[in-house]
Amino acid sequence: QVQLVESGGGVVQPGRSLRLSCAASGFTFSSYGMHWVRQAPGKGLEWVAVISYDGSNKFYADSVKGRFTISRDNSKNTLYLQMNSLRTEDTAVYYCAKDPLTHWGQGTLVTVSS
Amino acid sequence: DIVMTQTPLSLSVTPGQPASISCKSSQSLLHSDGKTYLYWYLQKPGQSPQLLIYEVSSRFSGVPDRFSGSGSGTDFTLKISRVEAEDVGVYYCMEGIHLWTFGQGTKVEIK
Repeated sequence: QVQLVESGGGVVQPGRSLRLSCAASGFTFSSYGMHWVRQAPGKGLEWVAVISYDGSNKFYADSVKGRFTISRDNSKNTLYLQMNSLRTEDTAVYYCAKDPLTHWGQGTLVTVSS
Repeated sequence: DIVMTQTPLSLSVTPGQPASISCKSSQSLLHSDGKTYLYWYLQKPGQSPQLLIYEVSSRFSGVPDRFSGSGSGTDFTLKISRVEAEDVGVYYCMEGIHLWTFGQGTKVEIK
């Protein structure tokens, strides 16, 4: 069965960086696009970024464009989200999801605070 | 950008009774490939979102048949024929034709 396990969350100061990982199993990772979606505490869902199956195409929400980078390593069945210049408003649970958002991980909490 | 608007934002339902949630998009979700990319999710308390309905009306694997989706173009509806206690949570619609925009969410609780 499809399994997605996020890691890398934690507490970080504004302006600093953090890298999230998502380990995938139970499906042919290299055949599917992958997404990051976030949810601020007590708020709704916000799509963050998507990467194509081979990493050749990437798209971002305006709120993270230029600061976040999505990438993948198909040899390791792992998806990444490099988050730079973090802001307090980036505080959220970050989920990875298999395209077209059929399966989601359990999420990892990122808290941006001084 | 596409805006997804859900109504109502909250719903209190007696077990065994039906429930309905509306979702309106600011642009048509009909793609040139003939498919309409509208999805419904349920996020149960303390859990990750789970896919219920894809492409307007197709139930995802394992989803009970009391859940159904309908609509076209810009107007869509999720219906639960007989609400059960396990259906509580927040329901989201989402468009998949532009950049995966979610509605605000509809919180469903049991009376």
